[in-house]
Amino acid sequence: DVKVTQSSRYLVKRTGEKVFLECVQDMDHENMFWYRQDPGLGLRLIYFSYDVKMKEKGDIPEGYSVSREKKERFSLILESASTNQTSMYLCASTLHRSLYGYTFGSGTRLTVV
Amino acid sequence: GESVGLHLPTLSVQEGDNSIINCAYSNSASDYFIWYKQESGKGPQFIIDIRSNMDKRQGQRVTVLLNKTVKHLSLQIAATQPGDSAVYFCAENNNDMRFGAGTRLTVKP
Repeated sequence: DVKVTQSSRYLVKRTGEKVFLECVQDMDHENMFWYRQDPGLGLRLIYFSYDVKMKEKGDIPEGYSVSREKKERFSLILESASTNQTSMYLCASTLHRSLYGYTFGSGTRLTVV
Repeated sequence: GESVGLHLPTLSVQEGDNSIINCAYSNSASDYFIWYKQESGKGPQFIIDIRSNMDKRQGQRVTVLLNKTVKHLSLQIAATQPGDSAVYFCAENNNDMRFGAGTRLTVKP
C-alpha cells in the first residue's frame, strides 16, 4: 500500500516563526499536494507539485511556500506563522491527477499561538 | 447533501441499518468521483470510486450511485457498524480534485 507520512501529528508554534511541515511518500508518485482542513470548509488546496522542483499554486497559497527537491518529499513552509494558519494540514499524493484517487497522510494539527 | 459552512450535515443511524450519504457536485464536466472516509484525528481514506461512464459501483458493504443528469452522487453503506462512524466526503475530478465539506455519520449501538 502507498504510504504518505507526515513528520508531525501535532505542532505548536509562535506567531512569526518559520514553520516547516514535511511529507514523504514511498510509491514514486509524481503528484503531491498540501491541503488545509478547517471545520465546515472541507479541504482547500494550498499548493501542489507534479514533478521535482515544480510547484503550482492552489486556491489559498498566501502565506505559504513549498519545496520539492526530491520526488518523495514535499515540504510546506509557513514563512511567518500567524494565528489564522492554525489548522489541520494534510499531505496527499497520486500517480495521476485525473485518473486515480489521492492517498493522504494522517495530518498535522498546527496551532499558532 | 453537502454544503460549505460552519456545521457539517449529520446523519445518525442505528447499528445494522443501511446508511445513505448524498453529495451534489458542481461541475458537469467532472468524470471521476471518489468517496473518502475520515475518522477523528486521521487523514481521509479512499473508500470507493466511480467513473462517469458508470452509474453504479459496488464494493464490500458500500455502493456508490452516480446520477449525472442532476449531478448527484450517493454512498450507501449496508448494515452500518459502529466503526463506520466518521466524516464522509465526496470528491469530483475534472483535471483537479475538488472535495465536498463532508457529512458526519454517527452510528448508534
